[in-house]
Amino acid sequence: AQSVAQPEDQVNVAEGNPLTVKCTYSVSGNPYLFWYVQYPNRGLQFLLKYITGDNLVKGSYGFEAEFNKSQTSFHLKKPSALVSDSALYFCAVRGNKLVFGAGTILRVKS
Amino acid sequence: GAVVSQHPSWVICKSGTSVKIECRSLDFQATTMFWYRQFPKQSLMLMATSNEGSKATYEQGVEKDKFLINHASLTLSTLTVTSAHPEDSSFYICSDTDRGETQYFGPGTRLLVL
Repeated sequence: AQSVAQPEDQVNVAEGNPLTVKCTYSVSGNPYLFWYVQYPNRGLQFLLKYITGDNLVKGSYGFEAEFNKSQTSFHLKKPSALVSDSALYFCAVRGNKLVFGAGTILRVKS
Repeated sequence: GAVVSQHPSWVICKSGTSVKIECRSLDFQATTMFWYRQFPKQSLMLMATSNEGSKATYEQGVEKDKFLINHASLTLSTLTVTSAHPEDSSFYICSDTDRGETQYFGPGTRLLVL
């Protein structure tokens, strides 16, 4: 069975600084990996995915993620954080179904 | 990305009543849709997979007689919470999937059972 771990409940970053939200996964076979963002009382918005190809994946709103097979990680990154990036971020892996991590709250302070 | 709508966005009902939530895939025909439940400050829990023209597949621990799913057309899946009780209060989110394996989610429905 597949699983996802997001080790940080919350990440605090100053506006303009780079941000990283961590994610590690476990799945049989080739991983299909996803990042989603959720704003309060809203559904999930798709940010980016890794299926195959380049390990660095670029997504929406300036986010990117780096797939590291040896470390089974798929950390979400952004070079310069915005206050509007503050939200709840979910990492997910697809095996026979899509499984989500517990989520990480990102707070960007001005 | 694909667009998924849900209706209603929120609902308040009395204990014992049934509530129907609609999920529509607006961009393409979705033979498979998914229903999730999310408790406050928690992750999404898959409840069931909705298959057009056939019975839904429920996850372990989800009562199929409690949460009725109907997927009668390629663009509409409905979730009916039957005889709702306060413990059914939650945020319900549906999703569909494109051929590229990406799941797109609806805006969610907040259910409060009094």
